Amino acid sequence: NAGVTQTPKFQVLKTGQSMTLQCAQDMNHEYMSWYRQDPGMGLRLIHYSVGAGITDQGEVPNGYNVSRSTTEDFPLRLLSAAPSQTSVYFCASSYSRGTNYGYTFGSGTRLTVV
Amino acid sequence: AQTVTQSQPEMSVQEAETVTLSCTYDTSESDYYLFWYKQPPSRQMILVIRQEAYKQQNATENRFSVNFQKAAKSFSLKISDSQLGDAAMYFCAYRSAYYEAGGGADGLTFGKGTHLIIQP
Repeated sequence: NAGVTQTPKFQVLKTGQSMTLQCAQDMNHEYMSWYRQDPGMGLRLIHYSVGAGITDQGEVPNGYNVSRSTTEDFPLRLLSAAPSQTSVYFCASSYSRGTNYGYTFGSGTRLTVV
Repeated sequence: AQTVTQSQPEMSVQEAETVTLSCTYDTSESDYYLFWYKQPPSRQMILVIRQEAYKQQNATENRFSVNFQKAAKSFSLKISDSQLGDAAMYFCAYRSAYYEAGGGADGLTFGKGTHLIIQP
């Protein structure tokens, strides 16, 4: 049982490049979400999904796209990287909230845009 | 939209003593969940404790307990018998309980965190 797996762990991009951060979970969780963590800002929600085929925007969605074609995978796409997107990115997953489970987090991806 | 405020950027405590981290939140919802997460230098996010808003009883997990005051919208974390391994960033987080009923949004809203230092 691997939990939530994020790849890559580190990435350096040039301004204007695109890339996809991968996130996979093997716990059959319905809910998944992406966050970015910046110094002094805590974690902020980018996008979330409540099941395959259903996604919605969070607090800071601009510059990011998501899709959820399977229960297991929830990739985050950066369309045209900007230095302001330099951050640590976390993916997380959860059972239905009715069971009051907190989100389980992946180990994060440190992204630097130069 | 909900907001979560942690007013203590940094706290320091002697090993074996007790420390309390503060968290307040603002919401118009009556049903929600509250969490405390720990982030050590490894940056892994670890769930410490959780509380359901409709439960009056404060949650406890070994040395960790909360003081949940719903009317005051306060959710503080008490760590008893502090250990060196407790040193980390601690984040308070809010989750709406309304999405399943067809309203609200999912995901967690975090405070900015409190850096806890344990003095040996």
